[in-house]
Amino acid sequence: GENVEQHPSTLSVQEGDSAVIKCTYSDSASNYFPWYKQELGKRPQLIIDIRSNVGEKKDQRIAVTLNKTAKHFSLHITETQPEDSAVYFCAASKQNGNQFYFGTGTSLTVIP
Amino acid sequence: KAGVTQTPRYLIKTRGQQVTLSCSPISGHRSVSWYQQTPGQGLQFLFEYFSETQRNKGNFPGRFSGRQFSNSRSEMNVSTLELGDSALYLCASSWGQSNTGELFFGEGSRLTVL
Repeated sequence: GENVEQHPSTLSVQEGDSAVIKCTYSDSASNYFPWYKQELGKRPQLIIDIRSNVGEKKDQRIAVTLNKTAKHFSLHITETQPEDSAVYFCAASKQNGNQFYFGTGTSLTVIP
Repeated sequence: KAGVTQTPRYLIKTRGQQVTLSCSPISGHRSVSWYQQTPGQGLQFLFEYFSETQRNKGNFPGRFSGRQFSNSRSEMNVSTLELGDSALYLCASSWGQSNTGELFFGEGSRLTVL
């Protein structure tokens, strides 16, 4: 089966700095890679996603890059703000239904 | 449009008991999947249902089972509870037949096994 590894497990940055979270996957058949944000006590919510036919996608301060050859993808958050503090999960899935393999999460703290 | 609704939100059980959790997806969504969330383990896939059929199953023992009804509502059942089953169980719904888009999560059912 698919194995998704996520690093780092915790990340602290100063407000205004950038944050980068990295994930690797093992199954070359995976073709969809979403990122979810989970604030304390709340449900995970999709913040950005990328498909295997695209190398990079950006949405305001958030961007995701994908390297299919190396089987890794990364989340980049620029100009971080305190409200970016949360746990971020990467995930990978194949086109065989809605079975997603999640990373173990990165707890991001933005220090004002 | 109402979001994904899970009941109960909190429950406490003792070892050996069984539990049933319920999930009502967003109207029009036919895919319902279940995840177990524990500290340090992230979200682990349990199973996914589409049009009342289980399409995918994760690596959990047979004590974990589920079903989906014709109105897309889903239930999951855990029998012979163990201490290690304590977790937040998240249900997610999606409209598509394959991984075509966003998973919409419920707030979860937090199970504590004593």
